[in-house]
Amino acid sequence: EAGVAQSPRYKIIEKRQSVAFWCNPISGHATLYWYQQILGQGPKLLIQFQNNGVVDDSQLPKDRFSAERLKGVDSTLKIQPAKLEDSAVYLCASSPTAGTGVGYTFGSGTRLTVV
Amino acid sequence: KQEVTQIPAALSVPEGENLVLNCSFTDSAIYNLQWFRQDPGKGLTSLLLIQSSQREQTSGRLNASLDKSSGRSTLYIAASQPGDSATYLCAVYSSASKIIFGSGTRLSIRP
Repeated sequence: EAGVAQSPRYKIIEKRQSVAFWCNPISGHATLYWYQQILGQGPKLLIQFQNNGVVDDSQLPKDRFSAERLKGVDSTLKIQPAKLEDSAVYLCASSPTAGTGVGYTFGSGTRLTVV
Repeated sequence: KQEVTQIPAALSVPEGENLVLNCSFTDSAIYNLQWFRQDPGKGLTSLLLIQSSQREQTSGRLNASLDKSSGRSTLYIAASQPGDSATYLCAVYSSASKIIFGSGTRLSIRP
């Protein structure tokens, strides 16, 4: 079974530029999550999709971050414009259902550096 | 508001020792609790999932316990090995859309 695919692995941009991350979840997983993990901290949930609908985006900075999951499969997360404090690892995860932890699988993440 | 705390933040022990990692949470009304392992530059790998009706789960040298009433979980690692070196995170499921992670314990096993 293929895992959660994320790209790119690394990205370095200047502040005020825009950037996009891509995630392809495990086939058949209805729930998709985007997390932000700052160095030395645990992952913080940015947005959770159930199929192509948003379940929770309460911690997504909507003035600069956006995410979509067209057709309920892969997803993109965009930051525009980026700030220095956005430097972090962005993790995508998927699961068959929400809230149980069963089958919860993470991708390897995208490490973003904003200079 | 649910808060998850992991102590210690870092731990270094010699190979072969048994050790315990701690996770505490402020709201005992949880669904499940899950322990993950994270290697440098990698995503998280699930180790053990404890459902709210369970008190512990075991997998090989790992044993995780859950005491909802006191808001605590422990991860016990027996006969530690250098390959166990990683960051260990616990995550609490307060609802279908509320998953809160602790900051993790960075474990180093000295050969």
